[in-house]
Amino acid sequence: EAQVTQNPRYLITVTGKKLTVTCSQNMNHEYMSWYRQDPGLGLRQIYYSMNVEVTDKGDVPEGYKVSRKEKRNFPLILESPSPNQTSLYFCASSPGGRDEQFFGPGTRLTVL
Amino acid sequence: AQKITQTQPGMFVQEKEAVTLDCTYDTSDPSYGLFWYKQPSSGEMIFLIYQGSYDQQNATEGRYSLNFQKARKSANLVISASQLGDSAMYFCAMRDFILTGGGNKLTFGTGTQLKVEL
Repeated sequence: EAQVTQNPRYLITVTGKKLTVTCSQNMNHEYMSWYRQDPGLGLRQIYYSMNVEVTDKGDVPEGYKVSRKEKRNFPLILESPSPNQTSLYFCASSPGGRDEQFFGPGTRLTVL
Repeated sequence: AQKITQTQPGMFVQEKEAVTLDCTYDTSDPSYGLFWYKQPSSGEMIFLIYQGSYDQQNATEGRYSLNFQKARKSANLVISASQLGDSAMYFCAMRDFILTGGGNKLTFGTGTQLKVEL
């Protein structure tokens, strides 16, 4: 089944404890993105990648890192999480720039 | 900068009625795409419909149609014959293709919460 998977789906952590949210797609898509969703703000892009080893900042990249060492994986790294990073995070992928994005199920992160 | 505006935070519609969800956008890119996504209470993002800036006809997908008025920079979603399962948050989004160097930036509006009533 074609899909985007994220792990974990739910995470509660404490300020400053490094964490990684994994994202994997099995559709051989070139484009991958990370978004965060906050009430009243919609979804905002954090980082995106147009191919292996090609990443760029979105609208809200501060406090996040990403890497794209393999085509299928695009992990989101929070080196030192803070409470303002409490949010719902989505990973998405698409075949190309003009195509719809397929979203993962979301990761609900709480930073205490 | 690209911007998407959804001015209706919440809407109610009766079952079997049609409903229009508003979306206006702003971009200086001549080539762009407009998307609508549905987010039910379970949280997943479901793609509904796409309209390209050069498409001559309004997009349709089953009960969904997109009322694209390029000069007014609006891309309203029309849901015909509403069903209880249509109750969800709906997001309008735009993708620029030239100014953003390839189209991987998707800008979302703040969403409209639709409630379908009996």
